[in-house]
Amino acid sequence: DGGITQSPKYLFRKEGQNVTLSCEQNLNHDAMYWYRQDPGQGLRLIYYSQIVNDFQKGDIAEGYSVSREKKESFPLTVTSAQKNPTAFYLCASSIGAENSPLHFGNGTRLTVT
Amino acid sequence: GQNIDQPTEMTATEGAIVQINCTYQTSGFNGLFWYQQHAGEAPTFLSYNVLDGLEEKGRFSSFLSRSKGYSYLLLKELQMKDSASYLCASLDSNYQLIWGAGTKLIIKP
Repeated sequence: DGGITQSPKYLFRKEGQNVTLSCEQNLNHDAMYWYRQDPGQGLRLIYYSQIVNDFQKGDIAEGYSVSREKKESFPLTVTSAQKNPTAFYLCASSIGAENSPLHFGNGTRLTVT
Repeated sequence: GQNIDQPTEMTATEGAIVQINCTYQTSGFNGLFWYQQHAGEAPTFLSYNVLDGLEEKGRFSSFLSRSKGYSYLLLKELQMKDSASYLCASLDSNYQLIWGAGTKLIIKP
């Protein structure tokens, strides 16, 4: 079955450490996205990529970095520069058409203490 | 500014009908999405409306009025498994999604 896999589901880190969240899809989708979900707020876009080796900043890119070396993979690194990294992170993909629906992974809950 | 408003929480009874409203103010408009999200899980796509009117998909229907900046999701014959958050998202003129905070729907027996 095709889908998006995020790992791990729960992640704990100490303040000051960088951490990388994994996102893999086998849907053959061109576009991939990273969102952050906080209680009481709508999803906020961190980074997105429409094609391999290219990506753009979203609304809240500061303190985050990404790479897109393969079509299937879009890892997100949360750096020590991110002021409030504790959140639920969702990866998504789409076929790339501007109004195509997003397919989401099950998310990674990151806790930084 | 761009804004999506939807109720924070709603309660309904198993077997009943519930309507979840969403109002949007975005720079341009290229359609409106509804997603369902169970706690701690992935949002899943329910519907996309770009033209005025009602679209029905089984027990779920979605309505759009572009002139009023308004949409609703109608859930019929509610089941316990429908307990979830329902996310409304508008596609603006740049084809960027603007998300509401979601409506938590609680179904009681």
